Amino acid sequence: EDQVTQSPEALRLQEGESSSLNCSYTVSGLRGLFWYRQDPGKGPEFLFTLYSAGEEKEKERLKATLTKKESFLHITAPKPEDSATYLCAVQGGGADGLTFGKGTHLIIQP
Amino acid sequence: NAGVMQNPRHLVRRRGQEARLRCSPMKGHSHVYWYRQLPEEGLKFMVYLQKENIIDESGMPKERFSAEFPKEGPSILRIQQVVRGDSAAYFCASSLMNTDTQYFGPGTRLTVL
Repeated sequence: EDQVTQSPEALRLQEGESSSLNCSYTVSGLRGLFWYRQDPGKGPEFLFTLYSAGEEKEKERLKATLTKKESFLHITAPKPEDSATYLCAVQGGGADGLTFGKGTHLIIQP
Repeated sequence: NAGVMQNPRHLVRRRGQEARLRCSPMKGHSHVYWYRQLPEEGLKFMVYLQKENIIDESGMPKERFSAEFPKEGPSILRIQQVVRGDSAAYFCASSLMNTDTQYFGPGTRLTVL
């Protein structure tokens, strides 16, 4: 059974204070690892897809990296508008649906 | 460039009634997935459909829940005889291919009184 664990559950940062969110996973034959952002009352918004260990992707202040056991979402010099819940999900070799972690609730204080 | 559309956005039902949730995938997408998000829990996969076919329903409760994606029109998630435990946010996602990124709709928030 595919499993995803995200840490920390919640993180409060000052504006401009860089940090990283962790996603540990176990999966049978990784087809893809996905990062989404979810704002209160809304659906998950796609951020990145990573397919193999060593892969990195960047978008504005966010950078996602992947190893064989975990992924990191690095946030550099965050702004208050980066406040959201960040979700990590995997799709295993035998699965059609995604397996999600419970998310990291990120708050950026001005 | 319309994204995934879901309606209604909010639905209130009394115990024992039926709930119908609709999902229109992104233009050009023929793969549809339904997920449920219970309070304080992560998103859970329910079912994967293509036009006129249920491909994988391994996450669907065995009773009262059904899904369809007809040749014409939106995908429908149907919950019969709702109970309070069905109260949750239900999200639909679509993709171009089964191996591609899934894009999510805004969700339907079901409240069972």
